[in-house]
Amino acid sequence: DQQVKQNSPSLSVQEGRISILNCDYTNSMFDYFLWYKKYPAEGPTFLISISSIKDKNEDGRFTVFLNKSAKHLSLHIVPSQPGDSAVYFCAAHYNQGGKLIFGQGTELSVKP
Amino acid sequence: NAGVTQTPKFRILKIGQSMTLQCTQDMNHNYMYWYRQDPGMGLKLIYYSVGAGITDKGEVPNGYNVSRSTTEDFPLRLELAAPSQTSVYFCASSYSGSPRVDGYTFGSGTRLTVV
Repeated sequence: DQQVKQNSPSLSVQEGRISILNCDYTNSMFDYFLWYKKYPAEGPTFLISISSIKDKNEDGRFTVFLNKSAKHLSLHIVPSQPGDSAVYFCAAHYNQGGKLIFGQGTELSVKP
Repeated sequence: NAGVTQTPKFRILKIGQSMTLQCTQDMNHNYMYWYRQDPGMGLKLIYYSVGAGITDKGEVPNGYNVSRSTTEDFPLRLELAAPSQTSVYFCASSYSGSPRVDGYTFGSGTRLTVV
């Protein structure tokens, strides 16, 4: 029972272009959604989050969009840089207990 | 500032052996978590704690035990290791447990292989 799904295991993008990573969820009780970035042999690091009452949050090159009716969120990276190459995890937060539920991850490769 | 420290970084166990994965944080965070990451499966929550003396099960607690005697430490115990426990284990901490206030800080992980 996968409550948070990232259906694309990998994505390859040219440097300078836009990267779009997608995430779907099933539970309407999530109150926050987060994106984490993970390099090999390191732990995930927090990137950006969005409240369930918002539809967009922007931080520099990173923008997260939330479509509650479709239970879908996406992370846009513009412009993409080679240093953005990593695995990106979508996570959803349960209000009670502070628990995060993670998607499977999408490996982004940004080619020079 | 060390953040979240996990030891060991790598370990090979034989089936049936036991071990404890250590996790320490120096940020005075109340909430601590243990996740495991299997290939293509994302991170699954094993156990979590909202403060010293309080622990609760996550999505995949079977085969594991935890304790939280201090704010800083949250060890994960594997009893009778099985090949299905081969995974990368991540410890994380948060001050409030709420993304409204702060994010979650992860350790660098422990790669465990059970043979």
